[in-house]
Amino acid sequence: DADVTQTPRNRITKTGKRIMLECSQTKGHDRMYWYRQDPGLGLRLIYYSFDVKDINKGEISDGYSVSRQAQAKFSLSLESAIPNQTALYFCATHSGSRGTGELFFGEGSRLTVL
Amino acid sequence: AQSVTQLDSQVPVFEEAPVELRCNYSSSVSVYLFWYVQYPNQGLQLLLKYLSGSTLVKGINGFEAEFNKSQTSFHLRKPSVHISDTAEYFCAVSDRSNYKLTFGKGTLLTVNP
Repeated sequence: DADVTQTPRNRITKTGKRIMLECSQTKGHDRMYWYRQDPGLGLRLIYYSFDVKDINKGEISDGYSVSRQAQAKFSLSLESAIPNQTALYFCATHSGSRGTGELFFGEGSRLTVL
Repeated sequence: AQSVTQLDSQVPVFEEAPVELRCNYSSSVSVYLFWYVQYPNQGLQLLLKYLSGSTLVKGINGFEAEFNKSQTSFHLRKPSVHISDTAEYFCAVSDRSNYKLTFGKGTLLTVNP
């Protein structure tokens, strides 16, 4: 089983709908991140969380919200989806100062907003 | 603030040829440096990382990278590529205190027979 699991893997929705992408991890890491990938733009940070009570905006947080339900779960919500939120979304974890520096990624959630 | 520039968006090469994917970064503080690879329809996996110590870092699948502090570069190299190396490669930099990775825009490596 994957250490970082994202659901759904693929989702097609319509403009104005509310969408939630979920992420769960079994690595025991405190830090969790949501990134968005667009062709030619690389990955951009949406939100990150250092623990259950610590949530921070990234560089492109407008139109998104998050919830850290537990150490292992970090959800990303689009309250009213719009077409330019069509992208590949990645959840990632990091062990913080105890670790070796890298992020561990999920397989991605491909979202299409019509 | 930190930033990453990958100088080539696409690099086509023939099989068994050497390849270099270029990465420059900008940061006002000490950083960690990473290369990630994304194969078609997959997530990202770590190729190699520089945290400290030797400036020549070896990673998986025969890749290596050299940290050059004076030139603020972290170029990725492989002496002989395979068809299976076709993928998108991302350079990333992390502030040593907050562990937020900033990614470059990616370089698509296409290995042709």
